[in-house]
Amino acid sequence: DAGVTQSPTHLIKTRGQQVTLRCSPKSGHDTVSWYQQALGQGPQFIFQYYEEEERQRGNFPDRFSGHQFPNYSSELNVNALLLGDSALYLCASSLSDRGETQYFGPGTRLLVL
Amino acid sequence: AQTVTQSQPEMSVQEAETVTLSCTYDTSENNYYLFWYKQPPSRQMILVIRQEAYKQQNATENRFSVNFQKAAKSFSLKISDSQLGDTAMYFCAFMPGTNFGNEKLTFGTGTRLTIIP
Repeated sequence: DAGVTQSPTHLIKTRGQQVTLRCSPKSGHDTVSWYQQALGQGPQFIFQYYEEEERQRGNFPDRFSGHQFPNYSSELNVNALLLGDSALYLCASSLSDRGETQYFGPGTRLLVL
Repeated sequence: AQTVTQSQPEMSVQEAETVTLSCTYDTSENNYYLFWYKQPPSRQMILVIRQEAYKQQNATENRFSVNFQKAAKSFSLKISDSQLGDTAMYFCAFMPGTNFGNEKLTFGTGTRLTIIP
């Protein structure tokens, strides 16, 4: 049973560029959440997708957007990259119910120069 | 808004000893869930243990157990017979449980645990 997968593992971009990160959920899961983890910090919630809709959003600007596909996989897009967007981006999948455990992928390390 | 506080940035313990990591949280909700995740140098966030707030019994998973004190809003993790593979960052996390569609995790800042051979 494959767990949560993310691609790519590492990415280097320059300021002002756009980036797309991808996530495939654990088999049987229908909900995908994205988190940003700056160096030395705990993850911060970006948004959550369920039934191809953004269900909940954290305190992130509109430059951060996402999408969920019919097969439940998801993309995170970041436009107009800033140096401060350098971080580890974590995807987590779960079932869509209260209290369901979120299982994390290995993350994508983004470096903005 | 919920907050999660981990007051021990770093801890170290000898192999085979017992160690306790502290976590406190602040919420006005009555129904919620608490989690401990570990993040080894490989970066993958791995679930260690979870606790439902409506359950009085403390959760246990093999060498890992929690001390959940709902009134004090405290949720500590005890690791018994610590092993070298337990070396990692440990994050405490809170999830609301009142409303469907509000299942975001709020994390603490983490505790870096080192097991010394």
